[in-house]
Amino acid sequence: GQNIDQPTEMTATEGAIVQINCTYQTSGFNGLFWYQQHAGEAPTFLSYNVLDGLEEKGRFSSFLSRSKGYSYLLLKELQMKDSASYLCAVRDDSNYQLIWGAGTKLIIKP
Amino acid sequence: EAGVVQSPRYKIIEKKQPVAFWCNPISGHNTLYWYRQNLGQGPELLIRYENEEAVDDSQLPKDRFSAERLKGVDSTLKIQPAELGDSAVYLCASSGRTGGTDTQYFGPGTRLTVL
Repeated sequence: GQNIDQPTEMTATEGAIVQINCTYQTSGFNGLFWYQQHAGEAPTFLSYNVLDGLEEKGRFSSFLSRSKGYSYLLLKELQMKDSASYLCAVRDDSNYQLIWGAGTKLIIKP
Repeated sequence: EAGVVQSPRYKIIEKKQPVAFWCNPISGHNTLYWYRQNLGQGPELLIRYENEEAVDDSQLPKDRFSAERLKGVDSTLKIQPAELGDSAVYLCASSGRTGGTDTQYFGPGTRLTVL
């Protein structure tokens, strides 16, 4: 079966670092995406990993281990505007559909 | 460059009424997706178009949902008749290359409330 797991909710402090984990079990793999979604808004693309390792983009980094079926999104120097849901999605290589996790709601406190 | 445009942003209807949503993808994007998202969940694919052809509609409830993308640009998703369980956000996304291999970019969505 296809399954993507992420924590439902996390809380962090402004200025700190937070790591949001995503584990997946899918029949095929053709890349992993992270999207940010503010309440009432559309998901916006953050990062894409297809090879093992760390991809860094400003304050955000994303890591992938295909052998472990595991990814994380690392957010540094947290700002209040980072309060949002973070969605992990895996692209299935049989039909290129995105299989989505339920998202992690990140709450930033002053 | 303009992003994905959707209208309306909000819609409230009574059950058994019809409703339609419109989407205009990013200019030049050949692939268009319609998703449904319930609160606290990830998006669920309803249908994917490559140009004007529906290449994946396996999760579209065809008894009441229909979609079209006649000229391979903008698209309309219709529900007739709507049921209480159809209350959700309907998202449209587009990507540049065909085959679903490109990053998807989302519109702001239409929040549907069925009373």
